[in-house]
Amino acid sequence: EPEVTQTPSHQVTQMGQEVILRCVPISNHLYFYWYRQILGQKVEFLVSFYNNEISEKSEIFDDQFSVERPDGSNFTLKIRSTKLEDSAMYFCASRIQGSSYEQYFGPGTRLTVT
Amino acid sequence: AQSVTQPDIHITVSEGASLELRCNYSYGATPYLFWYVQSPGQGLQLLLKYFSGDTLVQGIKGFEAEFKRSQSSFNLRKPSVHWSDAAEYFCAVGEVTGGFKTIFGAGTRLFVKA
Repeated sequence: EPEVTQTPSHQVTQMGQEVILRCVPISNHLYFYWYRQILGQKVEFLVSFYNNEISEKSEIFDDQFSVERPDGSNFTLKIRSTKLEDSAMYFCASRIQGSSYEQYFGPGTRLTVT
Repeated sequence: AQSVTQPDIHITVSEGASLELRCNYSYGATPYLFWYVQSPGQGLQLLLKYFSGDTLVQGIKGFEAEFKRSQSSFNLRKPSVHWSDAAEYFCAVGEVTGGFKTIFGAGTRLFVKA
């Protein structure tokens, strides 16, 4: 069964450094998402992406965040200058076009900012 | 704004006992409802979803949920819990705005005792 994959599974970085989290969505899916889950808290929506542009973003997704689909398979989340409060599990998700509102989530990347 | 409430932070049940996890949502139209399970250190696995039709939906691993519009509820049930069901359970509602995103509840941690 096709699945969303994410790399790395765990990333440790120092405050102020840039990080790129990578995702490979399911191949025929056209909508892509990033969510995050701070330890012990709920999963929060960050951004949705369709047709090579952001379709919606939350208030969390400020100027330090960016997303990109650099090729036909990868979908990346970049955090320009990490802060301690960016430490969280980041989930990528994708869904197929149309009224099937089922999102398929990846296993997540645990980001630790020290 | 849409919201999801899971009133129980954690629940403990004995193996073999029945389980009901509560979920209430706030949504203006017919909601798209989901239950996800997250095992420690793992990603989000979809248990079941409700979009329309029969209000009792069956999911994987023997779980079912019932949509009750009058109560704005979507409670998750299982007749006989197994030790492997110990995990965090998230109720979620899909919000269709310009695009689509999932809004998660805070989660209920299920403990299973022998």
